[in-house]
This record gives sequence, C-alpha cells and structure tokens, in this order.
Amino acid sequence: AQKITQTQPGMFVQEKEAVTLDCTYDTSDPSYGLFWYKQPSSGEMIFLIYQGSYDQQNATEGRYSLNFQKARKSANLVISASQLGDSAMYFCAMREGGAGRRALTFGSGTRLQVQP
Amino acid sequence: GAGVSQSPSNKVTEKGKDVELRCDPISGHTALYWYRQSLGQGLEFLIYFQGNSAPDKSGLPSDRFSAERTGGSVSTLTIQRTQQEDSAVYLCASSLEATLVGPRAFFGQGTRLTVV
Repeated sequence: AQKITQTQPGMFVQEKEAVTLDCTYDTSDPSYGLFWYKQPSSGEMIFLIYQGSYDQQNATEGRYSLNFQKARKSANLVISASQLGDSAMYFCAMREGGAGRRALTFGSGTRLQVQP
Repeated sequence: GAGVSQSPSNKVTEKGKDVELRCDPISGHTALYWYRQSLGQGLEFLIYFQGNSAPDKSGLPSDRFSAERTGGSVSTLTIQRTQQEDSAVYLCASSLEATLVGPRAFFGQGTRLTVV
C-alpha cells in the first residue's frame, strides 16, 4: 500500500496566485513527521517545510504553509503568491517513528508550472 | 564538508559491468539514505543506515545491489552486472539522528548512471 499519495501529477497556477498541492499519507504510528521538498529542473532536492504529528499548529515557512489535517491524514502544501521560480516538482515525504521505517518515504510528486 | 557530496556526478557504463557510487555525508550526520530516481519519477528508497545499527536494506531491488558505510561516514553503493533498467539518478541524503522523526534530510546532487 502507498504510504504517501500525491494525486496531482501536474498543476498550473498563474503568477502571484496561491496554489495547493495535495498529499495524503497512511500510517498507524502515532509519531511521524511530514516533509515537503522541491526539485527544480536542476535536480537538487530542496527542503521546504516540516510538520510533526504532535505539532499543534500548522507549519509555515515564508510563502509556504502546510495545511495539516490529522484526522483526514492529509498534509497539503500551500504556496502563496506564486513566482515563476516556483515551477518545479514537489514531493511530499514521511518519516515514521516507533517501529516504522526511519527513512523518508516519498510520494510520486506533483509538477507545478507557474504561468506569467 | 558543507553539504552531501556524491561522486561521480555522471557515469556511463556498459551493460554487465560493475559500478560503485560514492556518498560523503555531512559531518556529524548519523543517518544516511540512498534513493533511486528514474526520469520524471519519484524517489525510490533503496537502503538506510543509522549509526551502528543494521541497515534497512528492504528497498534494494535485487541482489545485484549492495551498499556499505565505512566508519559511520562515507557510503558506497555497488551495482553488479549492470542492466539498462538500472539507468537512473542515484541520490544520497544524510540527516542527524533519525530515532526522532523530525531531522530533515539533506540531499546530494546525485549520480546520473547510464547503462549502454
């Protein structure tokens, strides 16, 4: 079974608008961490934002925020005021605590294209 | 070093040859991960090292793949008798102690392997 599901293979957004990239996850572990990474065409993996399962508030990092809905097991990334440089692949990932896998498990990614 | 270093950055090899890919993690990082990324795809987990614990090899696709980590630092991923389907970018990442869920993983630039 997929641990991380990203259902949007591709998304378009107009420059300066906000966009939400979806991510759902599957774990029975009460302790886990959720991550978003950006991969531009250069191939590097850039860390964007982190949310812990016990965090009371949604994580924010500049223009990035994570809409964490624990009961729905979703961790959507919201990018506000999109810029042309935001065009990239975006990956959601999870690390489980307890007896779960400690390595990061990644979703299949969403390709975001920002249009001028 | 300042970041995760991988070498070589590009490798072209003939089908049936063995290849070694090297990863030098960030100093002090006890967790090290190898992933494989085929063109336009997500990150496929291969193997994970954490300190002196037995590595999690559950992602290795066949017994042609092996990895070791010497002295808790540098890691080598070896692919024996390479096949064309092994062509991909091999990404290495490291993080601080991963018994917690939070530490973010820092990625290297990857090794692009092409089997001809």
